[in-house]
Amino acid sequence: DTGVSQDPRHKITKRGQNVTFRCDPISEHNRLYWYRQTLGQGPEFLTYFQNEAQLEKSRLLSDRFSAERPKGSFSTLEIQRTEQGDSAMYLCASSLAASGSSKNIQYFGAGTRLSVL
Amino acid sequence: AQSVAQPEDQVNVAEGNPLTVKCTYSVSGNPYLFWYVQYPNRGLQFLLKYITGDNLVKGSYGFEAEFNKSQTSFHLKKPSALVSDSALYFCAVRDVGSSNTGKLIFGQGTTLQVKP
Repeated sequence: DTGVSQDPRHKITKRGQNVTFRCDPISEHNRLYWYRQTLGQGPEFLTYFQNEAQLEKSRLLSDRFSAERPKGSFSTLEIQRTEQGDSAMYLCASSLAASGSSKNIQYFGAGTRLSVL
Repeated sequence: AQSVAQPEDQVNVAEGNPLTVKCTYSVSGNPYLFWYVQYPNRGLQFLLKYITGDNLVKGSYGFEAEFNKSQTSFHLKKPSALVSDSALYFCAVRDVGSSNTGKLIFGQGTTLQVKP
């Protein structure tokens, strides 16, 4: 178990291009979250999956954003027609919906830093 | 709506001295509170959580936090700071709204600077 993995670590793109990020959660974790963090701010919730079902999306997630978790394992976050305001760190976290001391703890990946030129 | 506030952008402390990083919260009902630490170009690392029980919670790397219901605070503490503790610290509260997704609401973060 190597923790939550995110790929790529850095992405530089031109405005208007599409980008896709991948998140591999901890293997037995059924809950997966995406957050966005801008400089000097705390992470802000974007979307949540329980297994393969996307159960909540933030109002921050415009129509240009889409996320999937097709088999309840890895997840992808796609941004279409990127804008300079999309530049941020995109963080993925996973947790286990179960009883015990591990419940409610979200474990984060290292993030993907997006720069839109 | 749930929220947390970290009133200090930066805390400076000398190595070996005790440190406190402040957090206050606003929730309806019982709070689920967390502290995370972020090192440069790294993700957030879990330090500790308060769900219920003892008001003093012990966590990783010698950190602890004190839950104070009357003051709606959850301050992070360490008896003796290390230079390696220098990082960005986030307080968070679990959203317990109708969706019950467990999403976290974070404060804006406090930079801890420990000087030798």
